[in-house]
Amino acid sequence: DTEVTQTPKHLVMGMTNKKSLKCEQHMGHRAMYWYKQKAKKPPELMFVYSYEKLSINESVPSRFSPECPNSSLLNLHLHALQPEDSALYLCASSARVAGVTEAFFGQGTRLTVV
Amino acid sequence: GQQVMQIPQYQHVQEGEDFTTYCNSSTTLSNIQWYKQRPGGHPVFLIQLVKSGEVKKQKRLTFQFGEAKKNSSLHITATQTTDVGTYFCACPAGTSYDKVIFGPGTSLSVIP
Repeated sequence: DTEVTQTPKHLVMGMTNKKSLKCEQHMGHRAMYWYKQKAKKPPELMFVYSYEKLSINESVPSRFSPECPNSSLLNLHLHALQPEDSALYLCASSARVAGVTEAFFGQGTRLTVV
Repeated sequence: GQQVMQIPQYQHVQEGEDFTTYCNSSTTLSNIQWYKQRPGGHPVFLIQLVKSGEVKKQKRLTFQFGEAKKNSSLHITATQTTDVGTYFCACPAGTSYDKVIFGPGTSLSVIP
């Protein structure tokens, strides 16, 4: 199984709502990531978890709160978002094998903040 | 900070023509990766290059890592409509294997 599964696929939320994005992988990868991608732009790294510990936070606003409950799951909790936070949120996981780090991306959650 | 550039930004080719995208980093790289993202899709890993001057081929795709390890190219021979998408190079940033900066991408359109 080389899949990274993200739910939901689409989400519309108001600026006062609280919602969560979920990501799951069963490849035994030790690293999991959240990326944000705006239209016609490259993915931008937000957070990295390594062995279930937060290892990289790219100065992301506190209205985004990541959580890694176990080695297969990654959540992104959202509250008090702004319309400019509307984007495709991509989860990825990776393992380093023979010097190669291949990241597997999920299909993404398309988030619209109204 | 580290900068990653890709050219061209967009490329429209007739089916059967060749296509090349170039990636340049402001810093020397330990490795470089290439990803493809189809319209409406998610990035898919294509390859990682590690050695100076390395050339790797995958069917009609040829990847090259520059001698100075600051630039790379992806060449597609005889494009097909299935090649449509955005091609990103991705470069390590800092000392962590996990932190990667994506280039701005080259969007390829193939006219049948």
